[in-house]
Amino acid sequence: DAKTTQPPSMDCAEGRAANLPCNHSTISGNEYVYWYRQIHSQGPQYIIHGLKNNETNEMASLIITEDRKSSTLILPHATLRDTAVYYCIVRVVSNQGGKLIFGQGTELSVKP
Amino acid sequence: SAVISQKPSRDICQRGTSLTIQCQVDSQVTMMFWYRQQPGQSLTLIATANQGSEATYESGFVIDKFPISRPNLTFSTLTVSNMSPEDSSIYLCSVTISNQPQHFGDGTRLSIL
Repeated sequence: DAKTTQPPSMDCAEGRAANLPCNHSTISGNEYVYWYRQIHSQGPQYIIHGLKNNETNEMASLIITEDRKSSTLILPHATLRDTAVYYCIVRVVSNQGGKLIFGQGTELSVKP
Repeated sequence: SAVISQKPSRDICQRGTSLTIQCQVDSQVTMMFWYRQQPGQSLTLIATANQGSEATYESGFVIDKFPISRPNLTFSTLTVSNMSPEDSSIYLCSVTISNQPQHFGDGTRLSIL
């Protein structure tokens, strides 16, 4: 699986959009981009994933560049409860059953 | 999504002892995994728990130290053997169901004195 690079930390004002970048320049054509987050004292929580098209769900939007070498997770209206470590993971999906390789992630602090 | 229960949620153990962590899921799952999260670190995969056969371990993890069982499609155990302070970590179970993304339990917080 391709390696990802994320900034170690970011701040965001409450109510503003949080834009979390991820670089995955060695991504292969059959690899998906996954985002998880881990709130303190909890297990990682799935947020969203995509292959090449932009995706949106009730939690976030995922924007993938045309060359697929980078992506951005967007939390449109960040709240204090969005304070967490966010992990960008690239992996091949054959049947969704494969293992996840976690990097160090981005620690997002949402401030009042 | 599946509800994943891990027991115990936390424990404090003496060095040299062993602890078995249980992972129970409320529905049949395709795959089960065990991860370790050392203090201040990210998650590291220990092994894939295979139903009815030996687990598949990642580099750096061995069966003698982390024996794993998976007797059916909803249950797995991880044992941390002959513990030392370096084993103080959060141990997490995760599962996949069919084509859904992987979901995690809230982990077992283990401290070794």
